[in-house]
Amino acid sequence: DAGITQSPRHKVTETGTPVTLRCHQTENHRYMYWYRQDPGHGLRLIHYSYGVKDTDKGEVSDGYSVSRSKTEDFLLTLESATSSQTSVYFCAISEYRGDTEAFFGQGTRLTVV
Amino acid sequence: GENVEQHPSTLSVQEGDSAVIKCTYSDSASNYFPWYKQELGKRPQLIIDIRSNVGEKKDQRIAVTLNKTAKHFSLHITETQPEDSAVYFCAASMGGGADGLTFGKGTHLIIQP
Repeated sequence: DAGITQSPRHKVTETGTPVTLRCHQTENHRYMYWYRQDPGHGLRLIHYSYGVKDTDKGEVSDGYSVSRSKTEDFLLTLESATSSQTSVYFCAISEYRGDTEAFFGQGTRLTVV
Repeated sequence: GENVEQHPSTLSVQEGDSAVIKCTYSDSASNYFPWYKQELGKRPQLIIDIRSNVGEKKDQRIAVTLNKTAKHFSLHITETQPEDSAVYFCAASMGGGADGLTFGKGTHLIIQP
């Protein structure tokens, strides 16, 4: 398995609080992605990064922000968590652009109560 | 943006029989089509992929076919085994300079003994 670690693996938080999820890779891959997975929706892209400090929005970016200050770390922040953001969040990495194979982290299960 | 439709949502086959999962995509600029397998509580894992300049690709019991004109691609699993039971996702690269993958909603494959 590719060296991708997500933390925390599980989190319960209250509505209105900020939450930060971390993705750490040891593969030195340039591209990193955050997806969310919900029943009946498959995986949907939230944000992605194509280099240090270079990020862009995905399909479902509202309410989320990201930062990448080092190649190995990609942070996802929920600025003010809502119940609709209860989901499983997956980080993915790829060596080249999105039209090359992507490897996923173990996922973070986030519950907003 | 890209839209990927996947059918069926659930597929039950007898052990030893073949299984076929079909996907269509909307963006003619998409050029990369991976398939992921996800077991319950685990991360999605790439099982096979195909590029738009290839019509078919095989890897042991798994094959993928691509029809660029019709914008559809299919996953074929032959001689199904109990360990093939999982949720399978198709995906397409985002065209037009955007990055990341657009996923179908998944097919729950059940292998009946």
